[in-house]
Amino acid sequence: GENVEQHPSTLSVQEGDSAVIKCTYSDSASNYFPWYKQELGKRPQLIIDIRSNVGEKKDQRIAVTLNKTAKHFSLHITETQPEDSAVYFCAASIRSSASKIIFGSGTRLSIRP
Amino acid sequence: SAVISQKPSRDICQRGTSLTIQCQVDSQVTMMFWYRQQPGQSLTLIATANQGSEATYESGFVIDKFPISRPNLTFSTLTVSNMSPEDSSIYLCSVDNRGGEQYFGPGTRLTVT
Repeated sequence: GENVEQHPSTLSVQEGDSAVIKCTYSDSASNYFPWYKQELGKRPQLIIDIRSNVGEKKDQRIAVTLNKTAKHFSLHITETQPEDSAVYFCAASIRSSASKIIFGSGTRLSIRP
Repeated sequence: SAVISQKPSRDICQRGTSLTIQCQVDSQVTMMFWYRQQPGQSLTLIATANQGSEATYESGFVIDKFPISRPNLTFSTLTVSNMSPEDSSIYLCSVDNRGGEQYFGPGTRLTVT
C-alpha cells in the first residue's frame, strides 16, 4: 500500500522567511496530493492540493510542487507570519480508489518573531 | 465545503465500556471516513463508512472493536468497544464529495481511565 514520508518533523523559521516541507510517496498510482494545516486543538484544514497532471500550484503565499518521476512533492510558504505556526500534514491518494488518503507524519512549524 | 459536526466533542470513559461517536453532515456526501489521531501523532485511517453496506476496515482495525454504521448519506457512527487506556485518542470523521477533497469534522477527544 501507499506510504508517505514527510520531512522535517519540526521546523523553526524567522518571521518573514520561507519554509519548505518535503514529502515522498511510494505508490506511483497516487494522483492527488493534499496538504492540511492543523492548529492546536483544531481539526485539520485543507490548505492546498495538487493533482498529478500539474507540476506546480500557487495560492497567495503558499505553493506546492510535484515531481512525479521522483515521487516527491513539497509545500512552500513565503513571507511567513505568526499565524502560520501549526502542524502541517502532506497526504497522497488514488482518486479512483474510494479517495482513501494516506497521511505523512506531520511537520511542526514554528515562526520566530 | 460541507458543514460537519460530531457528538460528543469529548468524553471520559471507564475501561471496559463502549462509546458511540456520531458524525452529521449538512448535505449528502459520497464518502465518509473515520480516523484516529493519537496525541502528537498523524492521522490514521480506521475505516471507510459505506452507505448501506459494511464498512471497509484498514489493517489493524476490526469490526468487533470499531463497529461503524452509515444508515444514509449524511450520517455515520463509530463505536469504540470494550475500551482500554490505549484507545485514548481523538477520533475524527471526514467526508469526500466526489471532488477528491476531504474535509474533517471537529473531532471527539476520548480519554479512557
